[in-house]
Amino acid sequence: AAGVIQSPRHLIKEKRETATLKCYPIPRHDTVYWYQQGPGQDPQFLISFYEKMQSDKGSIPDRFSAQQFSDYHSELNMSSLELGDSALYFCASSSPGAEQYFGPGTRLTVT
Amino acid sequence: GQQLNQSPQSMFIQEGEDVSMNCTSSSIFNTWLWYKQDPGEGPVLLIALYKAGELTSNGRLTAQFGITRKDSFLNISASIPSDVGIYFCAGQVHNNNDMRFGAGTRLTVKP
Repeated sequence: AAGVIQSPRHLIKEKRETATLKCYPIPRHDTVYWYQQGPGQDPQFLISFYEKMQSDKGSIPDRFSAQQFSDYHSELNMSSLELGDSALYFCASSSPGAEQYFGPGTRLTVT
Repeated sequence: GQQLNQSPQSMFIQEGEDVSMNCTSSSIFNTWLWYKQDPGEGPVLLIALYKAGELTSNGRLTAQFGITRKDSFLNISASIPSDVGIYFCAGQVHNNNDMRFGAGTRLTVKP
């Protein structure tokens, strides 16, 4: 069965640079979610989109923004990167109100 | 916000033993989910629970949604080495995509 696709899988950036992470949801899933997971931590909800509109906002820094496109894929844009932004970033997708399925994640390293 | 208390933090068991872990919350959730995460990978959905009192099995896994809607447990029977990983509980409130995770239970299975 098709799963959530994330790209890139690994990304290395320097402080103050920008990064864009991409997420392709499971076919026919119209809701996408972004999570940040630091080392040894549980995933922290950042933001979600339903039908291309932001549906909920969690602990997403103002330096980050995200959007969902007409084909339902989503991009997380991260600017003015800081060392503390180094983490695993997961995208998940679901049908409305249903359980979330996670992608393999993007490991972002900020040096 | 809602906080999930997951215990135990870690478990070291012998292959073939049964395992039990649980999550409690001071707030009510409408959905409880259990995920397993391997290092550097995305959380994989194991079981989703939607009704208070619901008891659901998935192979050797059994999970229950507490009657008060403030707790859930996961049991793994006859553990095998591939059960090694971090198990997360997660709670979700309807119409709110902000899914909260417990801190995780790290399971080690000795052959």
